[in-house]
Amino acid sequence: AQSVTQLDSHVSVSEGTPVLLRCNYSSSYSPSLFWYVQHPNKGLQLLLKYTSAATLVKGINGFEAEFKKSETSFHLTKPSAHMSDAAEYFCVVSGSGGYNKLIFGAGTRLAVHP
Amino acid sequence: EPEVTQTPSHQVTQMGQEVILRCVPISNHLYFYWYRQILGQKVEFLVSFYNNEISEKSEIFDDQFSVERPDGSNFTLKIRSTKLEDSAMYFCASGTTANTEAFFGQGTRLTVV
Repeated sequence: AQSVTQLDSHVSVSEGTPVLLRCNYSSSYSPSLFWYVQHPNKGLQLLLKYTSAATLVKGINGFEAEFKKSETSFHLTKPSAHMSDAAEYFCVVSGSGGYNKLIFGAGTRLAVHP
Repeated sequence: EPEVTQTPSHQVTQMGQEVILRCVPISNHLYFYWYRQILGQKVEFLVSFYNNEISEKSEIFDDQFSVERPDGSNFTLKIRSTKLEDSAMYFCASGTTANTEAFFGQGTRLTVV
């Protein structure tokens, strides 16, 4: 069975400093992995996806993530945080059996301070 | 840019009443989903729908739930007899294929009182 563990429920950074949101996954086969972001009172927006192509994936708004099979990790990073990055971030793995059943992590709330 | 739209944004209903949550997926998508997020908990898969039938459903999706694509554009989730524990944010999503990303709507916040 597939599962996702987001290692931090809350992360707080200062504006202009790097962001690291950690995610480990468990999958019995080569997974597709995603990061979604949810701003307050908004829907879920896709940041980036990994689907067995390049292991370093670039997404929107300067975010990127690196798929490390040996560590079963898919951490999300950004070199320099912006105030508008404050949101909830979800690491997501696709389930087995097709039809794109997505399994969500518990989420990491990112706070960005001036 | 095409997007998934959900209505209403907020629905308040009395326990035992039926509710219908509505979604308009992106027009060329073939795979449709409902997820829910109870306050403070994970986003959970409810059901996937393809080719006019349910392709997979979770344990949560019991007999009080049903989905329908009544015409070429809408995708609905019906809860027949709402319970207090059905209070949650319900997200509709759609995708082009089974193994690509899903695009989510803004969600409908359902409050059962």
